[in-house]
Amino acid sequence: NAGVMQNPRHLVRRRGQEARLRCSPMKGHSHVYWYRQLPEEGLKFMVYLQKENIIDESGMPKERFSAEFPKEGPSILRIQQVVRGDSAAYFCASSLGSDTGELFFGEGSRLTVL
Amino acid sequence: QQPVQSPQAVILREGEDAVINCSSSKALYSVHWYRQKHGEAPVFLMILLKGGEQMRHEKISASFNEKKQQSSLYLTASQLSYSGTYFCGTRDAGKSTFGDGTTLTVKP
Repeated sequence: NAGVMQNPRHLVRRRGQEARLRCSPMKGHSHVYWYRQLPEEGLKFMVYLQKENIIDESGMPKERFSAEFPKEGPSILRIQQVVRGDSAAYFCASSLGSDTGELFFGEGSRLTVL
Repeated sequence: QQPVQSPQAVILREGEDAVINCSSSKALYSVHWYRQKHGEAPVFLMILLKGGEQMRHEKISASFNEKKQQSSLYLTASQLSYSGTYFCGTRDAGKSTFGDGTTLTVKP
């Protein structure tokens, strides 16, 4: 009975490197959301995806960040040329429906940029 | 537009009550409440749909007034385990946005 699985749980990168964060939604869920959380702050929406489609990416920085949710495999949040300001916890959530269903969150991926 | 929560922080003694408010400048069709403990993932508490219904999760209840575009979370006879940050969330065309959170600290 797997919930939302995120990996890696912790990732350390040097400035300029790439970070790839993976999220496998709960079984049967086709809606995936990515959020960024800085220490002691709230959950900031980044992107909402359904299988093979980006529905809303209004919270994604226009450069260096991209997300995908392929037909097969996990959703991936990719950050290119990381900077220190990218250090944060990145949470993935999934839901069954689009408008009323609850979100199930993964344990998060904590990115540290040196 | 993200919902607005108040207060930002609450400190209680065990057994005391608290209310956390959530309001939106946009029409609300549903409101979700989540609790996040330090270093952990947010956990779903309850969802409220149009109709002003109240929901309960243990001794935590909530109301939703879609006309006022507000929801309130009521924590009754708080327990130490209630400590954490509470987020309200709203959904619009599938996208879920959250308030900045209310940090609740329950002391013995």
